[in-house]
Amino acid sequence: NAGVTQTPKFQVLKTGQSMTLQCAQDMNHNSMYWYRQDPGMGLRLIYYSASEGTTDKGEVPNGYNVSRLNKREFSLRLESAAPSQTSVYFCASSEVPGSYGYTFGSGTRLTVV
Amino acid sequence: QKEVEQNSGPLSVPEGAIASLNCTYSDRGSQSFFWYRQYSGKSPELIMSIYSNGDKEDGRFTAQLNKASQYVSLLIRDSQPSDSATYLCALRHYGNNRLAFGKGNQVVVIP
Repeated sequence: NAGVTQTPKFQVLKTGQSMTLQCAQDMNHNSMYWYRQDPGMGLRLIYYSASEGTTDKGEVPNGYNVSRLNKREFSLRLESAAPSQTSVYFCASSEVPGSYGYTFGSGTRLTVV
Repeated sequence: QKEVEQNSGPLSVPEGAIASLNCTYSDRGSQSFFWYRQYSGKSPELIMSIYSNGDKEDGRFTAQLNKASQYVSLLIRDSQPSDSATYLCALRHYGNNRLAFGKGNQVVVIP
């Protein structure tokens, strides 16, 4: 039971570098989400995809792009990393948009220096 | 007012006691409510969901929802050291495709 798989688990970037965080789910869920979690800020939604072929901005989309590659995969790209993007990133999925709660991946700890 | 408020600071409870966590929300259109547990350095995991007014029990956990007063609470009975974690409250609005999360409450169970 893999659930939601995120790669990589840890990453250090230099300011200005780009990278893509990968997320895949094997539960046949329709909806997928990217959150960032910072101390004292809770979970903040970056982007989400309610269904295959659609993506929408969340609370904090600036500096990020996403691709819903297929029903299983939802990637998050940082085009030009900034120290403010140092955070823990979580991917999540749900069967129905927003309903029945989310299943989260194990997270990616990103440090931008 | 923030969408989902969890205002209490860290909660320390002795082992075997009841831990009580509260969450208030601002939008009366909210319809689905969830409690997540997050251990330090780990991802959130769903422990309870509640959709209608009243109490819902699952093992040592009880979720309580009062839509008129716009709050949802979580009780942990017979608290164990393994319950030491941060508990996140989340909700979904009618017609919305996402969950909104509170900042979480840390619970420390003291043996």
